[in-house]
Amino acid sequence: DSGVTQTPKHLITATGQRVTLRCSPRSGDLSVYWYQQSLDQGLQFLIQYYNGEERAKGNILERFSAQQFPDLHSELNLSSLELGDSALYFCASSAHRGSQNTIYFGEGSWLTVV
Amino acid sequence: GIQVEQSPPDLILQEGANSTLRCNFSDSVNNLQWFHQNPWGQLINLFYIPSGTKQNGRLSATTVATERYSLLYISSSQTTDSGVYFCAVRYGGSQGNLIFGKGTKLSVKP
Repeated sequence: DSGVTQTPKHLITATGQRVTLRCSPRSGDLSVYWYQQSLDQGLQFLIQYYNGEERAKGNILERFSAQQFPDLHSELNLSSLELGDSALYFCASSAHRGSQNTIYFGEGSWLTVV
Repeated sequence: GIQVEQSPPDLILQEGANSTLRCNFSDSVNNLQWFHQNPWGQLINLFYIPSGTKQNGRLSATTVATERYSLLYISSSQTTDSGVYFCAVRYGGSQGNLIFGKGTKLSVKP
């Protein structure tokens, strides 16, 4: 158990809909990352938050947005869903201390768009 | 941006065999991690290894940062070792994000 909690574990929704994925980082971790893993694209970095502020942005579509709340949990919002958005979405977290900055991943949220 | 290349892309082993997986990266990095993704999709941390050598049971890893590569050794492989092994590197400071290689898919046959 990495200590990173993601909900829901599985989600099936229709094209055009909107979903929210939730992530609770490891206790004390200030950084939260979102990754997308699809069959043809591998593991792609989407976005990073650090202590509530957006820190880095990767290959995140404009239809997607995220935020990190004061209690450090994060949500990834996916809207106007398309079939190609079907993927495994990972949240990860890391601490901000010293040089040991291992990034730990949650178990992922499987999204199927039909 | 930084490139991360893993080899081989696929590997089939007989149970009990040893193997070496390689990760090459194109630029200096702050850290490097190895992960195992099991058949259920879970990404499991194996090593945090920006440099040097570490061992954990039948697994060990070595990173030579000056030559921009890392190796993951699996000894006496077991069927439960099957899955995809990812190397991921971090740049852009101690809080930068991880960039993943495409992985090595390992199948261990009984």
